[in-house]
Amino acid sequence: DAGITQSPRHKVTETGTPVTLRCHQTENHRYMYWYRQDPGHGLRLIHYSYGVKDTDKGEVSDGYSVSRSKTEDFLLTLESATSSQTSVYFCAISSGLAANTGELFFGEGSRLTVL
Amino acid sequence: SQQGEEDPQALSIQEGENATMNCSYKTSINNLQWYRQNSGRGLVHLILIRSNEREKHSGRLRVTLDTSKKSSSLLITASRAADTASYFCATDSNSGGSNYKLTFGKGTLLTVNP
Repeated sequence: DAGITQSPRHKVTETGTPVTLRCHQTENHRYMYWYRQDPGHGLRLIHYSYGVKDTDKGEVSDGYSVSRSKTEDFLLTLESATSSQTSVYFCAISSGLAANTGELFFGEGSRLTVL
Repeated sequence: SQQGEEDPQALSIQEGENATMNCSYKTSINNLQWYRQNSGRGLVHLILIRSNEREKHSGRLRVTLDTSKKSSSLLITASRAADTASYFCATDSNSGGSNYKLTFGKGTLLTVNP
């Protein structure tokens, strides 16, 4: 299994509070991603990173920010959580298409409930 | 908007039967990938097919790609109860450079009955 861990795995919080999810990898992969998974929507990309301090928005980035200060860690922050952000969040890593593989390796997910 | 769309949304078959899932996408791609997700777990990569390939096999999996129709199919032969899972197709944006990201469909839920 790829060395990728997410924390926390479960979190319950209240509307308006800040939340940070952490993704840690030991594979030294260039690319890191945050997806959310909701019934009826599949997986949707929130933000991704293509290097240290290099990040870009995905299709559902509103209300989320990210940071990548070192290769192994990619943080997802909800500055002020809302009930619509209740979801399962998946981190994924990839060495990228240039490495002739292109596949993503996923963490086990972080289940966030915003009350 | 989502690039890939799987069809059907749900599929129920008996053990030993074959299962076929389809994926359609909208824009040009470098590759198309299929992933599997067991309930409550992360996604696991199954197979990747490049835009210049038409068919690929891996064990009991067979993937086809028709770029003229912007569609792909995943065939699981001789299915087992352990194949019960959701299956997703994913495509890249063919934009190259640092913009490497995959867009996933909504998935097909496969149930294999013993």
